[in-house]
Amino acid sequence: GQNIDQPTEMTATEGAIVQINCTYQTSGFNGLFWYQQHAGEAPTFLSYNVLDGLEEKGRFSSFLSRSKGYSYLLLKELQMKDSASYLCAVWDSNYQLIWGAGTKLIIKP
Amino acid sequence: DTAVSQTPKYLVTQMGNDKSIKCEQNLGHDTMYWYKQDSKKFLKIMFSYNNKELIINETVPNRFSPKSPDKAHLNLHINSLELGDSAVYFCASSHQTGGPSETQYFGPGTRLLVL
Repeated sequence: GQNIDQPTEMTATEGAIVQINCTYQTSGFNGLFWYQQHAGEAPTFLSYNVLDGLEEKGRFSSFLSRSKGYSYLLLKELQMKDSASYLCAVWDSNYQLIWGAGTKLIIKP
Repeated sequence: DTAVSQTPKYLVTQMGNDKSIKCEQNLGHDTMYWYKQDSKKFLKIMFSYNNKELIINETVPNRFSPKSPDKAHLNLHINSLELGDSAVYFCASSHQTGGPSETQYFGPGTRLLVL
């Protein structure tokens, strides 16, 4: 079956760095997305990786290792507004988007 | 200005009723989706339409029927609502399915509560 695993919840301190991991087992792979979802709101796009390596976008970076079925989202200089759920999603061989359950990130002052 | 809009935002109804949720996108996208997000926050694809044609129909009960009058609209009709249908329903759109790096843009969600 298809499976995406992320930690359920993480806590970090304002100004710090946090890494949210995602492992996946899917039938084929055509890319991996990270989305941010604030409570009560719709998911919004953060990043897309299809090749191995690190993609940096401001305070957020996303890493992919296809051979390990692994990705992480790195958030630097954490701000209170970064408190949200972070969803990992993988495009399988049929270009169907398979979603993880999300990681709830709590930022403390 | 709203890219993907849904109505209503909240829907409270009795078991057994029939209800519809509407979705419209003004992004010129070819593909639209319906997702269900349950209390455990899993986002599950229900339907995907490309240029008004159904391309993905996950194993949802046939009480759920999507209708796409044109490529900018994808409505969801639900018959004989059940308690387990309570969830947040998200509409989304993208340029095309199957294309690389196609970001999906989500509507604000419809919070359905079946009593």
